[in-house]
Amino acid sequence: AQSVTQPDIHITVSEGASLELRCNYSYGATPYLFWYVQSPGQGLQLLLKYFSGDTLVQGIKGFEAEFKRSQSSFNLRKPSVHWSDAAEYFCAVNTDKLIFGTGTRLQVFP
Amino acid sequence: SAVISQKPSRDICQRGTSLTIQCQVDSQVTMMFWYRQQPGQSLTLIATANQGSEATYESGFVIDKFPISRPNLTFSTLTVSNMSPEDSSIYLCSVGKAGLSYEQYFGPGTRLTVT
Repeated sequence: AQSVTQPDIHITVSEGASLELRCNYSYGATPYLFWYVQSPGQGLQLLLKYFSGDTLVQGIKGFEAEFKRSQSSFNLRKPSVHWSDAAEYFCAVNTDKLIFGTGTRLQVFP
Repeated sequence: SAVISQKPSRDICQRGTSLTIQCQVDSQVTMMFWYRQQPGQSLTLIATANQGSEATYESGFVIDKFPISRPNLTFSTLTVSNMSPEDSSIYLCSVGKAGLSYEQYFGPGTRLTVT
């Protein structure tokens, strides 16, 4: 069965530092890959997606993610974190339905 | 992307009662979905709301507990029936992008607390 693993439950970074959130998936073929962000008390906002083509995808709010087939990974990155980036981040895979990872809570210190 | 609204945004209900959550989209969409997010957990798909036919439920979810309506291409409701404290969750609807259900956009969610 398809699955998504986000190994980091909680990450803390200082404002202005770089960020990488890890995501690994289990699926026989290349799935459709997504990153969503959920701010406290909010719904989910789509940050970026990968369907095919260039393995480095750009999203909103300065985020990017790189698909690595050999590692079954789709890690999210941002070169300089802002305090407003503090939120819960979910990686998701869609084969015939959307399957979410357990999420990574990002805390940003000033 | 579509603008999705949900009502109510939050509610506190007594066990044994039922709550109906509404999801409204500002444009016609083919695919609508309902998810549950239990406290501190990730999202789990409850069902796909099909326009003009019965919803398609995921394993572990049944129509008697979570009846869903989809009267048209912009609106759906999810009812949480005979509630217990274990039903305390955030319930989110999402819509699939036209012609591409793989890409989904989410509503703001309904935070339900059952006492």
